[in-house]
Amino acid sequence: DAGVTQSPTHLIKTRGQQVTLRCSPISGHKSVSWYQQVLGQGPQFIFQYYEKEERGRGNFPDRFSARQFPNYSSELNVNALLLGDSALYLCASTWTGSYNEQFFGPGTRLTVL
Amino acid sequence: DAKTTQPNSMESNEEEPVHLPCNHSTISGTDYIHWYRQLPSQGPEYVIHGLTSNVNNRMASLAIAEDRKSSTLILHRATLRDAAVYYCILRDVGTGNQFYFGTGTSLTVIP
Repeated sequence: DAGVTQSPTHLIKTRGQQVTLRCSPISGHKSVSWYQQVLGQGPQFIFQYYEKEERGRGNFPDRFSARQFPNYSSELNVNALLLGDSALYLCASTWTGSYNEQFFGPGTRLTVL
Repeated sequence: DAKTTQPNSMESNEEEPVHLPCNHSTISGTDYIHWYRQLPSQGPEYVIHGLTSNVNNRMASLAIAEDRKSSTLILHRATLRDAAVYYCILRDVGTGNQFYFGTGTSLTVIP
């Protein structure tokens, strides 16, 4: 079975631009979470979605938004990019019968110039 | 949000046991303790989790203090493939099962 997939792998944007990152969860997983990992730090929780509804939001500005589609895939959008948004963005999926294990994708490396 | 604190780095000799500590003094009754590890250029992967009792699986053991304010991840025989950043995480069952990562411990395994 395929694991969590994310696209694109790498992305370079300039300040003020907008970016959309995509995530496909493991088949059968209905919950998707997004994390931001700045170099040298642990992942920071951004959003959690379940059945297309937002179930949790971390301490991030409104420039960050996300949605989940009927097939449980998800998109993370970041508007008005800042240099500080440069990071590895990780997506994780969970089988909601048990939240014990989140399965992480390889991430999207975003560089803002 | 509940917080965890871990040493920034640790070293171990290959085939020796490794004990990775974690403090979580503000843990609540509904928080599960999880450990994940992240190898270079990869997303984190699950290692083990527990609530109150010690836990064992094929990868590691988790020892949880009686007051739950600290825990220790035990790798019984470190291999070179165990070199990674290990994260101690609290999963908040009470507010939606979100994961709050700490800064992690970078484990170096010496041949």
